[in-house]
Amino acid sequence: ETGVTQTPRHLVMGMTNKKSLKCEQHLGHNAMYWYKQSAKKPLELMFVYNFKEQTENNSVPSRFSPECPNSSHLFLHLHTLQPEDSALYLCASSQDRRTSGLDYNEQFFGPGTRLTVL
Amino acid sequence: GNSVTQMEGPVTLSEEAFLTINCTYTATGYPSLFWYVQYPGEGLQLLLKATKADDKGSNKGFEATYRKETTSFHLEKGSVQVSDSAVYFCALRSNFGNEKLTFGTGTRLTIIP
Repeated sequence: ETGVTQTPRHLVMGMTNKKSLKCEQHLGHNAMYWYKQSAKKPLELMFVYNFKEQTENNSVPSRFSPECPNSSHLFLHLHTLQPEDSALYLCASSQDRRTSGLDYNEQFFGPGTRLTVL
Repeated sequence: GNSVTQMEGPVTLSEEAFLTINCTYTATGYPSLFWYVQYPGEGLQLLLKATKADDKGSNKGFEATYRKETTSFHLEKGSVQVSDSAVYFCALRSNFGNEKLTFGTGTRLTIIP
C-alpha cells in the first residue's frame, strides 16, 4: 500500500469502551499528526510527533492518548469518551523541515476514521 | 494567534460557472497559505500553495493569489466541473517553528450538471 492509511474507517463505541485508532504511512516521513474534524468547525490539530517524540499537544483531554512506536505508525487510544468527541479523526504525515531543508513539507492525509460515541 | 476565515457554505453552482471561495487570515509575520481539497470519503489533499506575497498558486484550473495588503487568499476557477464537488479548506502555516497548519472551517462545493 502507498500513502497514509487509517483503520478502522468507521467506529461506534460506548462511553465506557476502550478502543484504538491506527495510522500507518508508507512515505518515509518522520513527522505524524492527529487532527479532529467536526462539522462546521476548523480542523483541530491534536498531536504532533517528530521522530517518534511528541512535540505538540494542543490541550487535548487525557481521554485521548497518542502513541508513536516508530516513524511509520501512529495510534490514538480512546477511553471514556463523550458524545461530543464524535468526529472524523484524520492522520497526516510529512517530512520534518529540519531534515528536509525545504521551506515547506506537504502534509499527506489519510482518509480518516469516522467515530461515533453513543 | 493565527486564524483563518473562509466563506460559509454550502455553495451550489451549475457546471461551467465561475467559482470564488473567499479566504482571509490573521497571522504574525509572513505565513505560507494553502488550499486543501477533500473529496467524499477521502482525506485532505493539497490543491495549491503560495509562500510569499503576490505569489499565485495554481493547479487543476484553480488559482489563488497571496494578497498581503488585504490578508486574503481567495480561491477561483473559471469553469467548474461536476468532479470539483468537494470540501475546500483554506489554511496557513507560520514560517516560525514547526509545520503546524491552521485551517478554516471548510466550504462544501456542489456542482450541478
